[in-house]
Amino acid sequence: NAGVTQTPKFRILKIGQSMTLQCTQDMNHNYMYWYRQDPGMGLKLIYYSVGAGITDKGEVPNGYNVSRSTTEDFPLRLELAAPSQTSVYFCASSSTGLAGGGYFGPGTRLTVT
Amino acid sequence: DAKTTQPPSMDCAEGRAANLPCNHSTISGNEYVYWYRQIHSQGPQYIIHGLKNNETNEMASLIITEDRKSSTLILPHATLRDTAVYYCIVRITGGTSYGKLTFGQGTILTVHP
Repeated sequence: NAGVTQTPKFRILKIGQSMTLQCTQDMNHNYMYWYRQDPGMGLKLIYYSVGAGITDKGEVPNGYNVSRSTTEDFPLRLELAAPSQTSVYFCASSSTGLAGGGYFGPGTRLTVT
Repeated sequence: DAKTTQPPSMDCAEGRAANLPCNHSTISGNEYVYWYRQIHSQGPQYIIHGLKNNETNEMASLIITEDRKSSTLILPHATLRDTAVYYCIVRITGGTSYGKLTFGQGTILTVHP
C-alpha cells in the first residue's frame, strides 16, 4: 500500500491564481480530511468527507472547495489564491475517523505571493 | 471538545523514558484522550488513545489519572528519532463527530544524545 499520497509536494502561486491539491489513498477508507498548518501552529480542519459524494466544512473552509467522486480521491481546490493561504496542507484518511487512528499524507507546501 | 494544556517544550536524554503530561480538567465522560506526533514537518502520526484505563502499544504507554483530568504519554526508551511535536487531543468518538480532531500547539520533545 502507498498509503496517503499528495501532489504536488511544493507549489508557488501568484495572488489570484487557482490550483487543485491532489490527495489519493489506497486503503479503501471512507473518511478523508484536509488540514492546513501555518508556521508554528497546530493543524486546522478545512473540509472532510465521510464517503464518496459526501463532504462537509471544517473549521476554516473559506477560499476552498472539495469534491469526493470516488472513495480514493479527495482533491482540494483553491480559487483566487491569497497570501493568507500560504501554508502546509495535509490530507488524511481513516476507516473509522481520525479519532480511531488514521493516516496523514506527507503534505503540500504552498506559497502565495 | 475539552481543552488541553501541554508544556510547550521538554527535553529527554536518549535511552531514558520520556514522560509527556497533558491536562484536560474539563473532559467529559464520553471523551477519549488521543496522542499524535509530528516529526519535522511530516504529517502527524497516530500514537495511542484511551478512555479511562491505561493503554500500551508498541510505541508508547498512556496513563490516565483516576479522575481523568490529566494524562501522561510515556515513551519508555526515547531515541533521537522520537524528537517531534506531540499533540494531546480529547474528543468524543462516533456520532456526528465523524472522527474529526482539533490540534493545539503541542509539546516539542527534544531527545538529546
